[in-house]
Amino acid sequence: SQQGEEDPQALSIQEGENATMNCSYKTSINNLQWYRQNSGRGLVHLILIRSNEREKHSGRLRVTLDTSKKSSSLLITASRAADTASYFCAVFGERGSYIPTFGRGTSLIVHP
Amino acid sequence: GAGVSQSPSNKVTEKGKDVELRCDPISGHTALYWYRQSLGQGLEFLIYFQGNSAPDKSGLPSDRFSAERTGGSVSTLTIQRTQQEDSAVYLCASSLMADWEYFGPGTRLTVL
Repeated sequence: SQQGEEDPQALSIQEGENATMNCSYKTSINNLQWYRQNSGRGLVHLILIRSNEREKHSGRLRVTLDTSKKSSSLLITASRAADTASYFCAVFGERGSYIPTFGRGTSLIVHP
Repeated sequence: GAGVSQSPSNKVTEKGKDVELRCDPISGHTALYWYRQSLGQGLEFLIYFQGNSAPDKSGLPSDRFSAERTGGSVSTLTIQRTQQEDSAVYLCASSLMADWEYFGPGTRLTVL
């Protein structure tokens, strides 16, 4: 299985602080994606990083990928209360695999 | 429409009844996924449709679960003889070829 596993399971911080969550996986990947989920409903795509990329930015989000360690991290800088949500990584295996594997997610609470 | 839509948003049924959940993907998206998410858990893959190819049903938990996709667009997930353990949020997503997925808001199924 190439299941993504997020760490930590839960994270509680104060507004303005940075939040870092990690994702580990087991086999070679084509790409890795991060999603956010509010209130147990639909997921929203945040960032996709391909296996030949090491870092990507989108606004206050920074994603890194270390294929040698089979891990990725999502950094949210200057967090806001509105960032409170669950964050999931999804792993797409190498060519031929079109079914992503999602981890259990990291529950982030940002206190105002 | 602009995004993936699902109906109904909530469904309460009695044990033993059949239910149908509907998903309208983004127009032009060839891939369609169904997932199940139990309370506080990650996403459990159920079934994957890609164009006119035979669907990947490897995630369906039992033969009570089935899905179809008509005309390469709308999809229906059917659960026969529902059980209490089927209670969950059922999420549909569509995408273009192993790229990021666009999720619908989900259907919350409660089996009494």
